Amino acid sequence: DAGVTQSPTHLIKTRGQQVTLRCSPKSGHDTVSWYQQALGQGPQFIFQYYEEEERQRGNFPDRFSGHQFPNYSSELNVNALLLGDSALYLCASSLTPSGNTIYFGEGSWLTVV
Amino acid sequence: AQTVTQSQPEMSVQEAETVTLSCTYDTSENNYYLFWYKQPPSRQMILVIRQEAYKQQNATENRFSVNFQKAAKSFSLKISDSQLGDTAMYFCAFMKLLAGANNLFFGTGTRLTVIP
Repeated sequence: DAGVTQSPTHLIKTRGQQVTLRCSPKSGHDTVSWYQQALGQGPQFIFQYYEEEERQRGNFPDRFSGHQFPNYSSELNVNALLLGDSALYLCASSLTPSGNTIYFGEGSWLTVV
Repeated sequence: AQTVTQSQPEMSVQEAETVTLSCTYDTSENNYYLFWYKQPPSRQMILVIRQEAYKQQNATENRFSVNFQKAAKSFSLKISDSQLGDTAMYFCAFMKLLAGANNLFFGTGTRLTVIP
């Protein structure tokens, strides 16, 4: 049973560029959430996707957007990258939008230079 | 707004000994969940233990147990018989019991080192 998988593992982007991160949820899960974890901090909730729609959103600017596909996989897009966007981006999935058993992937390390 | 505070940035424990990690939280909610997650160097967040706020009994999972004090808004994690594999970052997290939402609020973490 594959868990939550994310790609790429690491990437380096230049300030002002755009990035797309990808996530496949755990088998059977239809809800995907994204978190940003800056160095030395706990993860912060970006948004949740369910039924291909953004359902919940944390305190992040519109430069952060996402998408969910019919197979429940998801993408996180960040436009106009800032140095402060450098972080580990974690994808999480659950059986339902209210599910309290949440599985995380290993994350994508984004470095903005 | 919910806040989660972990006041111990780093802790260490001798192998086979017991260690307790502290967590306090602030919320006006009455129904919620509390979690401890472990993040080893592989970076994957792994659920250690979960507590429902409406349950008075403290949760236990093998060597891991919690001391949940709802009135004091305190949620500590006790690790018994510490093992080298327990070395990791530990995060306390809060989730409101709310239909259609399961976003987690995390603390800043405690780095635990188990010493052989």
